[in-house]
Amino acid sequence: KAGVTQTPRYLIKTRGQQVTLSCSPISGHRSVSWYQQTPGQGLQFLFEYFSETQRNKGNFPGRFSGRQFSNSRSEMNVSTLELGDSALYLCASSGTASSTDTQYFGPGTRLTVL
Amino acid sequence: LAKTTQPISMDSYEGQEVNITCSHNNIATNDYITWYQQFPSQGPRFIIQGYKTKVTNEVASLFIPADRKSSTLSLPRVSLSDTAVYYCLVVKMDSSYKLIFGSGTRLLVRP
Repeated sequence: KAGVTQTPRYLIKTRGQQVTLSCSPISGHRSVSWYQQTPGQGLQFLFEYFSETQRNKGNFPGRFSGRQFSNSRSEMNVSTLELGDSALYLCASSGTASSTDTQYFGPGTRLTVL
Repeated sequence: LAKTTQPISMDSYEGQEVNITCSHNNIATNDYITWYQQFPSQGPRFIIQGYKTKVTNEVASLFIPADRKSSTLSLPRVSLSDTAVYYCLVVKMDSSYKLIFGSGTRLLVRP
């Protein structure tokens, strides 16, 4: 079974631009979560989608948004990029909406904002 | 959610058993303890999850005392490839919150 895939793997943007990251969950998984990882703040939860509905959102500004499609693929968008948005963005999928279900992480998208 | 505390770093040698202890004093009745492993520039990988007593799988064991205020991840006979960051998390059952990561323990396995 293929794992979680994320595209692109690397991205360079400039301040003020916007970016869209994509995540394809493991086949059959309906829950997709997004995390941001930086050296200073560590791994932080962004939001989670299940069956196209956002179930929960972490403490991030409204510039961070996401959506999930009917095939469970998810996209994350960051508008008006800031230098501090440079990070590894990780997507994770799980089969159910249960919080104790194992999360399978993708390899991440490394975003650099110049 | 219960906050977790674990050592910032640990050193070990190949072939040794490594025990990483995590403190979670405010753990609630419906909380589970979960451990993830992360290599540089990769996403975390699930290792093991438990509620009480002892859980064992093909890669690790998890020991949870009766009061559940701490837990110990045990890695038998580590190899160089076990060098990674290990995260202890408390996961609340039936919560819409996903994983809340702490700082983790950076394990270095030396030859």
